[in-house]
Amino acid sequence: NAGVTQTPKFRVLKTGQSMTLLCAQDMNHEYMYWYRQDPGMGLRLIHYSVGEGTTAKGEVPDGYNVSRLKKQNFLLGLESAAPSQTSVYFCASSYPRTGRNTIYFGEGSWLTVV
Amino acid sequence: GENVEQHPSTLSVQEGDSAVIKCTYSDSASNYFPWYKQELGKGPQLIIDIRSNVGEKKDQRIAVTLNKTAKHFSLHITETQPEDSAVYFCAATPYSTLTFGKGTMLLVSP
Repeated sequence: NAGVTQTPKFRVLKTGQSMTLLCAQDMNHEYMYWYRQDPGMGLRLIHYSVGEGTTAKGEVPDGYNVSRLKKQNFLLGLESAAPSQTSVYFCASSYPRTGRNTIYFGEGSWLTVV
Repeated sequence: GENVEQHPSTLSVQEGDSAVIKCTYSDSASNYFPWYKQELGKGPQLIIDIRSNVGEKKDQRIAVTLNKTAKHFSLHITETQPEDSAVYFCAATPYSTLTFGKGTMLLVSP
């Protein structure tokens, strides 16, 4: 049981390049999320999805796009990478129940934009 | 939206001491308060959570308390061990998306 899997784990991009981070979960979770983690800033929500074919903006969505074409996959795209997008990106998934929403995180993807 | 404040940002203790991390939240509709532990190079993992209809919950050496009136909740770790060294995040949510605190780096010295 792999849980939440992210690829790639490490990537270096040049300013202006595009890329896609892939996330897959095998827990049949309805909800999926993309967070970014920066020193001293905690975990900030970029975009999330409450089901296949749906997406919604989080706290810091600018410069990112997402797609959820299949229930088990959630893709995060950077169309024109900027140095400010250098960060660690975490994908997560959950199956909310009344009064409880346990989120399961992947291992992270380290992105450097030069 | 929800806003979560977490203190302290770093906490150093000796092995065997207790550690306390405190969080406050702003949205009175929040009803679920998890705590995550993040080890170096890993993703955060849930260690304990509490729902708004409960004031305290304990799991071996860790416990969480919730004061809904004051809108604050705390993580208590007793008999700390070096393997407790990590970054700890609190979070709060009314339902679907979690809002996280900025994290506390806990260092336990042998």
